[in-house]
Amino acid sequence: DSGVTQTPKHLITATGQRVTLRCSPRSGDLSVYWYQQSLDQGLQFLIQYYNGEERAKGNILERFSAQQFPDLHSELNLSSLELGDSALYFCASSGDRGDGYTFGSGTRLTVV
Amino acid sequence: GQNIDQPTEMTATEGAIVQINCTYQTSGFNGLFWYQQHAGEAPTFLSYNVLDGLEEKGRFSSFLSRSKGYSYLLLKELQMKDSASYLCAVRDYNTDKLIFGTGTRLQVFP
Repeated sequence: DSGVTQTPKHLITATGQRVTLRCSPRSGDLSVYWYQQSLDQGLQFLIQYYNGEERAKGNILERFSAQQFPDLHSELNLSSLELGDSALYFCASSGDRGDGYTFGSGTRLTVV
Repeated sequence: GQNIDQPTEMTATEGAIVQINCTYQTSGFNGLFWYQQHAGEAPTFLSYNVLDGLEEKGRFSSFLSRSKGYSYLLLKELQMKDSASYLCAVRDYNTDKLIFGTGTRLQVFP
């Protein structure tokens, strides 16, 4: 157990639907990062939150949004889903400018 | 912005040594990370360099040259379980986000 918890582990949904992925960071970590990894692709940075505030944005589609709550857990919302959104979605957390970035086990999203 | 390059695939023999190179161009550098990722699993941390030089950690070593924008990961005494993707990532100075290369898929043969 890495200390970063992601739920659900697997999600199958239809095109056009909306889903929410959840991430609880490692205890004490203030930063949460979301990444998308499509089949045989690298990790694409989506968005970063630090202590509840958005800190950096990557190539995140307008159909996607995220937030970090006061208890530091984060949610990634994906709407109007398309087949191409099928991917592994990873959450990672890190301490305050520390060395470690710890990844959760990921959510495998399949859009059918 | 950032640009990170690493070879797509490499093969090696069990017991051998392999070096995986990574070159990067970045507007704000604050450290370079190497991660291992088995297919369908989460990346796991291997090493971190922020200053020039070699960091050794058991069978794994990582080297950084900031002036050349270059790093390598050295894996010694290769084992079959080392077959995985190896991801090079650069940390952005302003935000701490990690930007990853596309990864190097290493296959270890008996």
